[in-house]
Amino acid sequence: NAGVTQTPKFQVLKTGQSMTLQCAQDMNHNSMYWYRQDPGMGLRLIYYSASEGTTDKGEVPNGYNVSRLNKREFSLRLESAAPSQTSVYFCASSERSRGHEQYFGPGTRLTVT
Amino acid sequence: DAKTTQPTSMDCAEGRAANLPCNHSTISGNEYVYWYRQIHSQGPQYIIHGLKNNETNEMASLIITEDRKSSTLILPHATLRDTAVYYCIVFNQAGTALIFGKGTTLSVSS
Repeated sequence: NAGVTQTPKFQVLKTGQSMTLQCAQDMNHNSMYWYRQDPGMGLRLIYYSASEGTTDKGEVPNGYNVSRLNKREFSLRLESAAPSQTSVYFCASSERSRGHEQYFGPGTRLTVT
Repeated sequence: DAKTTQPTSMDCAEGRAANLPCNHSTISGNEYVYWYRQIHSQGPQYIIHGLKNNETNEMASLIITEDRKSSTLILPHATLRDTAVYYCIVFNQAGTALIFGKGTTLSVSS
């Protein structure tokens, strides 16, 4: 039982490049989330998926797209990376029937130059 | 969602109880209090949550005042591994996602 896994762990992009961050959970959770965390700040929600087949914007969705591929997987895509997207990205999942105990992955550290 | 106020930082000696306060004076009746922590460079970790009764689990205890305007997270015997940022979050379970503030940086020293 790996919990929430994220790939890659580290990534360096040039401005304008695109990439997809992958997230998978093996806890059979319905809801999944993408957050970003900038230095010295709390986490901010980018997008979430309340259940398979649905996605909704969070607090800071601009510049990102998401895909809930199936119940296990939720990917985050940067179409044209910008230096302002340099951050640590965390994926999380939760089972709504148990409240909002969210389980987080280890994070992806992204630098855009 | 209601906002919370936490001290920026706190210190605690190893083996002593760590008491982390949180004010949430605008909390509404159907909002829960959640606590998470984030150890350096790792993803946040769920600790405990409650509505109005005090709660205890293997990690911590949560004490919520009778008027629900404040709460305290208690780590009964802090260890060096409890050094982390602790987030108090007020959340309506009909909502969608947690809102993290800046939290309290707890430093446990020997």
